[in-house]
Parts: sequence; C-alpha cells; structure tokens
Amino acid sequence: QVQLQESGPGLVKPSETLSLTCTVSAGSINNYYWTWIRQPPGKGLEWIGYIYYSGSTNYNPSLKSRVTISVDTSKNQFYLDLDSVTAADTAVYYCARDSERGSYYDSWGQGTLVTVSP
Amino acid sequence: EIVLTQSPGTLSLSPGERATLSCRASQSVSGSSLAWYQQKRGQAPRLLIYDASTRATGIPDRFSGSGSGTDFTLSISRLEPEDFAVYYCQHYVTSPLTFGGGTKVEIK
Repeated sequence: QVQLQESGPGLVKPSETLSLTCTVSAGSINNYYWTWIRQPPGKGLEWIGYIYYSGSTNYNPSLKSRVTISVDTSKNQFYLDLDSVTAADTAVYYCARDSERGSYYDSWGQGTLVTVSP
Repeated sequence: EIVLTQSPGTLSLSPGERATLSCRASQSVSGSSLAWYQQKRGQAPRLLIYDASTRATGIPDRFSGSGSGTDFTLSISRLEPEDFAVYYCQHYVTSPLTFGGGTKVEIK
C-alpha cells in the first residue's frame, strides 16, 4: 500500500512562499498523477492541482497565478509552492495519488497544517 | 466550473438508521465521474465510492452510491458508530475538479 507524507514549515509569513514536499513510499511515483488538496480549518476541500510523473501539470484557475507543482522522480517526491500567501491560505494541505482509472484519490497523506501569520 | 451542492448540511440519526445524502451538480457529470469520501475529525478523507456507484477496496457493503447526470446519492443502510463523520462528493469530469461542501452525519 503506497504511503504519502507531507512535510514543510507549519508557519509562513504573509507575502512569502509556502513550500511543501510530499514523499511517496512503498510504491513508485512513476506512471501516476499526484495531487495537492487543501482544507481551511472547519471548511471543505479545495483542489489545488496535479502533476504527472513526467512533469505535466494542471492547476486550479483560482490559484494558477501563484501555484507551482513539481516532481523529482529520483527522490520519489513531489512539491508544492504557493507564492504571495495571505491568511486565506491557512489550511491543512494534503497530497494524494490519483487512481489509475480517474482523478479521484485512493491514497492520501495525513495532511499538514500551514498557518499564515506575521 | 461544476459546482456540487450537498444536502442536508447536517443529518442527525441514530445508530442502525439509514442515511441518505444528496449531491447535486450544476451541470451534468458525464460518465458518472463522481466520488464520495468520508472524513473523520483530524484525519484525511477516505475514498468510499467512485464512478458514482462502485465501492472502493475494503468499503463495507452498507455504503452504496447511485445517480447520474446532475443528481447523486450516497446511502448508508444501517449506521454503525464509526460512520458518524463528514461526507464529501467530488467530480472528476474536467478541470477544475471540485468538491461539495460536505454533509455531517451526527449522532441524534
């Protein structure tokens, strides 16, 4: 069973860049799509975007100007950068694996809370 | 963008009762490309149903999904104590992928 683990700073200052890593273990990053999803405290889920192992990406238009998702297959990791953050970006950030059959998520990381505050 | 509206916002039921959750899409969800997830407090969502009606691996058969087009339903035939949680629907027709706002199933 593939496992995913998010890592990165839990506190980011306004206007700075939020950077997270998702490490994939017990499975290869190859041949799958990998996704970032976030959830503000007490609220619902928001799709941020995905990356294919080869590097092609697709982002939520609402975040597209600020988001970069990248991948390093040699490390079995993929990454999220979100620029110019504000308090509205405070959320639990999840990484997830798309299923082989479609863009629904059969494996998730445990999530990491990122707070944007001075 | 396809907007998913879930109802009710909160469902208050007793263990053993049947739960019926609704997910309505602002436009047709082609290919029944709709999934349901369960989320418990402090945990990541867990995939329950995909393709509108196919149970994910290891999901008990008391969970069932139905629907097509713009109207979808998640049913839990007899609520077990561990089923009290928040449930989300999600479409995967086209970008941007979106989730519904969630239905909380709470103990009455």
